[in-house]
Amino acid sequence: DTAVSQTPKYLVTQMGNDKSIKCEQNLGHDTMYWYKQDSKKFLKIMFSYNNKELIINETVPNRFSPKSPDKAHLNLHINSLELGDSAVYFCASSLRAGEQFFGPGTRLTVL
Amino acid sequence: AQSVTQPDIHITVSEGASLELRCNYSYGATPYLFWYVQSPGQGLQLLLKYFSGDTLVQGIKGFEAEFKRSQSSFNLRKPSVHWSDAAEYFCAVASTNNNDMRFGAGTRLTVKP
Repeated sequence: DTAVSQTPKYLVTQMGNDKSIKCEQNLGHDTMYWYKQDSKKFLKIMFSYNNKELIINETVPNRFSPKSPDKAHLNLHINSLELGDSAVYFCASSLRAGEQFFGPGTRLTVL
Repeated sequence: AQSVTQPDIHITVSEGASLELRCNYSYGATPYLFWYVQSPGQGLQLLLKYFSGDTLVQGIKGFEAEFKRSQSSFNLRKPSVHWSDAAEYFCAVASTNNNDMRFGAGTRLTVKP
């Protein structure tokens, strides 16, 4: 009965590869998010989707592309991975203007 | 856009002592305010939230926070800290119209035996 789930939990890959991280929520929320947490624990929002529509798109490289097939899923695809992309990526969901519920995170390591 | 400042990067307290973690926000209207806790290797768990009404809010695990509009603050308190409270604590502010949430840099809490 996990509320917000992410796969994989760990991802180790080479520079230049393309990878995806999947996120699913079973809370019936209408808004989903992707955050990046760097090595200093700083959390920065990357994207926000409401009812499959992009509503927040912070300044992230266009190598990052969110894809929302339906309200319950928001996947993150990353092209041409770089060393600086190494971080923990968190998915979250909420009702509009409500508290956000976070997934367990995906630790991405780019070698 | 809204922003959050957590002035203390790292705080160490003894088990059983009281705790206060500081949070100051910047937002043009009444914000939505949150405190989250992150244990090592884990995701973020909501401790408490303020939307409106009583400015003293109670959360889980014995935590409380007080919204002070005049000081633009939302400090987190606990009267007696337990060793299991050692974690990273994040204050966050969200706009009231689009749930754009911004986090502070976090405060790492160490609990001494």
